[in-house]
Amino acid sequence: EAGVTQSPTHLIKTRGQQATLRCSPISGHTSVYWYQQALGLGLQFLLWYDEGEERNRGNFPPRFSGRQFPNYSSELNVNALELEDSALYLCASSYGTANTEAFFGQGTRLTVV
Amino acid sequence: QKEVEQDPGPLSVPEGAIVSLNCTYSNSAFQYFMWYRQYSRKGPELLMYTYSSGNKEDGRFTAQVDKSSKYISLFIRDSQPSDSATYLCAMSSYSSASKIIFGSGTRLSIRP
Repeated sequence: EAGVTQSPTHLIKTRGQQATLRCSPISGHTSVYWYQQALGLGLQFLLWYDEGEERNRGNFPPRFSGRQFPNYSSELNVNALELEDSALYLCASSYGTANTEAFFGQGTRLTVV
Repeated sequence: QKEVEQDPGPLSVPEGAIVSLNCTYSNSAFQYFMWYRQYSRKGPELLMYTYSSGNKEDGRFTAQVDKSSKYISLFIRDSQPSDSATYLCAMSSYSSASKIIFGSGTRLSIRP
């Protein structure tokens, strides 16, 4: 069974540009979570999607947004990129909403220059 | 004060040693406790999951939770070089992965 898959693996953008990151959850999982893992800051919760709806967001500015498609895959968009947005962006999925067992993908390494 | 405190290490031990990794927390409402392993340039992998005080064993790994002391531990027996990774503790007071609070991770190195 395939795990959580993310694309692209690496992404290099210049300041001010937009980045789009993609995630496919484990088959049967309806919830998708996005986390930012910046050096020295640990994992920070970004967004949670379930059944196509945004259920919760972390303490990040509105230029971080996303969506979930009918097949439960998800997209994270980061607008007006800043140098501090350089990080590993991790997607996780879980079965249902009342579940703390989340399974992570390999991440997308975003570098803003 | 951070909600979850974890010594960043690095921790270096010889192959075969017993490894003890620890986290302390301040929120007494936490009831779900997890340990993740993260290899370099990879996503975190769920190792252990528990929602009660006491011990939970899985192969060479034992997770221990002491809610009275707000302290959790992960023990690795017969450590192998392949165990070299960053170990993240994580916990939540709600049954939702969106509420998980992660520790900053401990870098572990097992010397052959």
